[in-house]
Amino acid sequence: AQSVTQLGSHVSVSEGALVLLRCNYSSSVPPYLFWYVQYPNQGLQLLLKYTTGATLVKGINGFEAEFKKSETSFHLTKPSAHMSDAAEYFCAVSPPTSGNTGKLIFGQGTTLQVKP
Amino acid sequence: DTGVSQNPRHKITKRGQNVTFRCDPISEHNRLYWYRQTLGQGPEFLTYFQNEAQLEKSRLLSDRFSAERPKGSFSTLEIQRTEQGDSAMYLCASSAQTATEAFFGQGTRLTVV
Repeated sequence: AQSVTQLGSHVSVSEGALVLLRCNYSSSVPPYLFWYVQYPNQGLQLLLKYTTGATLVKGINGFEAEFKKSETSFHLTKPSAHMSDAAEYFCAVSPPTSGNTGKLIFGQGTTLQVKP
Repeated sequence: DTGVSQNPRHKITKRGQNVTFRCDPISEHNRLYWYRQTLGQGPEFLTYFQNEAQLEKSRLLSDRFSAERPKGSFSTLEIQRTEQGDSAMYLCASSAQTATEAFFGQGTRLTVV
């Protein structure tokens, strides 16, 4: 069964500092990989995704993530944090096998705090 | 706004009562999903529809839960005889058949008192 582990339930950075949110997955077949962001009392918004091709993917709001098959990782980064980045971030996977339903398996989330 | 719409946004109910939530997906999306999110956790998959057919249900979906998607358009999620453990955010998402990503609604927050 596939699973997702997000290392660090809370990450705190200063405004302007590098943001690094970690995600590792467990799967016998490389899945599709996603990062979503959730603001308080809101639904989830897609930041970026990896399906095939280039392993470094760029998303909205200056975020990017790199798929590393050998490390089964898909860490999210942003060079310079902004106050508006404070939110909950979720890594998710979806199996790419035939008959894929698009069902997502989420990690437990990482709360990003940005200090002025 | 052509995003996923969920109603109501908030629902407070007494234990033992029945509740029903509605989800209107993006109009051209034939796939629809329900997830449940408890405080401090990631969303957990509940069920999946392709058009009007319910093709997958999680073991989390006890017999008190039922979901429908008549005519393959909007969907409803009903919880019968609510329990305090049902308190959570219920999220709906939709996607196109050929797409890899799903779009989420703003969720319905259920509080059982």
